[in-house]
Amino acid sequence: QVQLVQSGAEVKKPGASVKVSCEAFGYIFISYGISWVRQAPGQGLEWMGWISAYSGYTNYAHKFEDRVTLTIDTSTNTAYLELGRLRSDDTAIYYCARDLTGCGGDCYPDASSIWGQGTVVTVSS
Amino acid sequence: DIQMTQSPSSLSASVGDRVVITCRASQGITSSLAWYQLKPGKAPKLLLSGASRLESGVPSRFSGSGSWTDYTLTISSLQPEDFAIYYCQQYYTAPLTFGGGTKVEIK
Repeated sequence: QVQLVQSGAEVKKPGASVKVSCEAFGYIFISYGISWVRQAPGQGLEWMGWISAYSGYTNYAHKFEDRVTLTIDTSTNTAYLELGRLRSDDTAIYYCARDLTGCGGDCYPDASSIWGQGTVVTVSS
Repeated sequence: DIQMTQSPSSLSASVGDRVVITCRASQGITSSLAWYQLKPGKAPKLLLSGASRLESGVPSRFSGSGSWTDYTLTISSLQPEDFAIYYCQQYYTAPLTFGGGTKVEIK
């Protein structure tokens, strides 16, 4: 069964960093890219960035490019999001999501067909 | 960045109603548009991609149309399980961007 399983909820203080994991099952990991999307309380969906599981090439939303790092571990089929210099308005549910279409090599960001269950990150002093 | 403007931001409708949600891109996106459904406590669900391609398992009452900058999501006969928030997303070019969402509520 194709699925993405994310790590558990996190509580962090302002200024700290958080690292969320996303483990993939049931498909050829390196054939699809992974996007990260968040939803803050009462807000809409916000695309944060994308990583190619084939090469590790990344593309970030401008809003996050100085604070976010996306990485891949192909030995464990796991993608990671690290967000630094946390602020209270980073409190949100963070989702990883797999590209709809694989390409067997370096792809481009795509619509997201498979989503993780979400990870709640709370930033509070 | 491509801006995605969705309207309306919310609507009230009854079971059986036809519902239309629109999404406008700030530049042409050549049908690289997806629609998602979001319910409380659940991950987003992809409904359509390529503006009009229904994903497997999605009921046929959902349909999409449009081209270049203007797109619509239509629910032909609203069902109780369709009350949710709907988002469009362009994937024509990075950074990918979402519309602001449309909340579909029970009248």
